[in-house]
This record gives sequence, structure tokens and C-alpha cells, in this order.
Amino acid sequence: NAGVTQTPKFQVLKTGQSMTLQCAQDMNHNSMYWYRQDPGMGLRLIYYSASEGTTDKGEVPNGYNVSRLNKREFSLRLESAAPSQTSVYFCASSEMDRGYEQYFGPGTRLTVT
Amino acid sequence: GNSVTQMEGPVTLSEEAFLTINCTYTATGYPSLFWYVQYPGEGLQLLLKATKADDKGSNKGFEATYRKETTSFHLEKGSVQVSDSAVYFCALREHDYKLSFGAGTTVTVRA
Repeated sequence: NAGVTQTPKFQVLKTGQSMTLQCAQDMNHNSMYWYRQDPGMGLRLIYYSASEGTTDKGEVPNGYNVSRLNKREFSLRLESAAPSQTSVYFCASSEMDRGYEQYFGPGTRLTVT
Repeated sequence: GNSVTQMEGPVTLSEEAFLTINCTYTATGYPSLFWYVQYPGEGLQLLLKATKADDKGSNKGFEATYRKETTSFHLEKGSVQVSDSAVYFCALREHDYKLSFGAGTTVTVRA
């Protein structure tokens, strides 16, 4: 099992450009999450998807959109990137029968100039 | 709402030293508590957890006890190794499946 995979690993964007971060999990989990990690602030939830077909805003959703494409895949889109979105982005997944223990991907380091 | 407060780092230790990272939480009910570890260049992975008061989670020589009376879940290890150098996050889960994370504590162990 690959677990949670994310692409790309690194990305540099100019202000105003758009991009989509991809996430996939092969553990048959229902719930998936997108976080951003900034120094001194821990992980903050951007969006989450409790199950296929549903998405909800987390703590810091502004400037982002998500798509739960199917049970495996959950993408995060930046429509018009801003320097404030420079961060490391993590995708995670979880399942109720494992006590909702979250499994994380390796992260995407995004720089917006 | 829920919140988690961790001791600020960075923490620098010598090999075989004792490590403690303090974590306190605020929650309205009875949350489950977690410690996650992030090794350099990697995502987070679960280190240990406790789901009710007085439970002790343990893994890889690390321990933490769920103390309801002090709303704490301090992480301890008796003898650290260089390979324990990482960022450690305390987290809680209460009514649903979402986690609330602390800010993280960077630990560096010197040989």
C-alpha cells in the first residue's frame, strides 16, 4: 500500500496563477482532509470531506476550493495564488473503524512569489 | 472551542537525556488525545494516543498520560536518541473526526 500520496512535492507560482494539488489514498478511507502548515502555527484545516460527495470548510478556507473526485481522490485548488498562501500543504485520510486516526501524505511545499 | 497549547521550542538535548514536552488542552467534553511526530521532510505520523482519562499511550519509548484534572497530555521519553530529532505535535479530537493541533515543538538531539 502506498498510503496517502500527494503531487507535486514542490511548486513555485507567481501571484495570480492557479494550480491544483492532488491527493490520493489507497486505504479505502471515507474521510479526507487538507491542511496547511506554517511556522509556529501547527496544522490548520483548510477543507475536509467526511465522505465521497461531501465537502466542508475548515478553519482557513478562503482562497481555496476542493473537489472530492471519488473515494480515493481529494484535490485542492488555488484559483489565484497569493504570497500568503506560501506554505506546506498536507493531505490526510481517516476511517471510523480505526478511531479516525489520520494518515498523512508527504506534503507539497508551495512558494508564491 | 477546542484548543491545544504546547510548550514552545526549539528544544535541544544531548543523546540519552530525558525529554518532556508539555501539552495542555481546552475542550468542552472528553476528547481523545494524540501525539504526532514529523521527521524532516516527511508528513506527520501517529506516535501515540489515549482515548480516556488516566489512559497511558506509549510507543517507541515515548509515553503520555491523559490527565483530566490538569487537562494535560505531556510527552516524555527517558533516553533520547539522535533519531528522535523531529517536530512533535499534540492534538485532540472531540465530537467528530476533525483534529485540533498544537503549534508543534521542534526537538534536536545532539550526539
